[in-house]
Amino acid sequence: EADIYQTPRYLVIGTGKKITLECSQTMGHDKMYWYQQDPGMELHLIHYSYGVNSTEKGDLSSESTVSRIRTEHFPLTLESARPSHTSQYLCASSESGWMWTDQETQYFGPGTRLLVL
Amino acid sequence: GQQVMQIPQYQHVQEGEDFTTYCNSSTTLSNIQWYKQRPGGHPVFLIQLVKSGEVKKQKRLTFQFGEAKKNSSLHITATQTTDVGTYFCAGPYTGGFKTIFGAGTRLFVKA
Repeated sequence: EADIYQTPRYLVIGTGKKITLECSQTMGHDKMYWYQQDPGMELHLIHYSYGVNSTEKGDLSSESTVSRIRTEHFPLTLESARPSHTSQYLCASSESGWMWTDQETQYFGPGTRLLVL
Repeated sequence: GQQVMQIPQYQHVQEGEDFTTYCNSSTTLSNIQWYKQRPGGHPVFLIQLVKSGEVKKQKRLTFQFGEAKKNSSLHITATQTTDVGTYFCAGPYTGGFKTIFGAGTRLFVKA
């Protein structure tokens, strides 16, 4: 099993609050990702990073921000939570391949289930 | 933009029946991956296919990569209740750095 951790696992919060979802991996992977997923549904990439100090927005428009100051840490922040943010947030990491187009195995964390009231 | 499409979206089977999910890409893929997500869980890597026409087996699961490297399939023989979950295929984005996931096929198995 991969060593990638997410906290909190569950979060219930009121509208307008600022929240940070934590993600850490101990595998030394350069690439990290954040996905948003409603139960049993499609994975939507919201942010990714291919190394320290590099972050990119994904395919799904998101009001969240991310940072990558350390290789192992990739937190996601919502400045002002809204009910539309209610979902599961999955963090993943992967190695970098030899080619920049390589697709390496992604290891997913257990996820954070967020409920915004 | 680049797309990876999966069908069917849902499949209900009786335990013991076979199941197949299909994945089609809008572009030629250098490789394709398959993941399984159990209900309430997170996606877990199953396999990667790289070669044109490649076929790989894992016990009751058979994975195929098309000759043109634009489609793939996952076939489960004699489904069991432990096979329940969502199966995702995924291909590399041609622009690099990220992965394009299919929408997934949700498998329900009735005992």
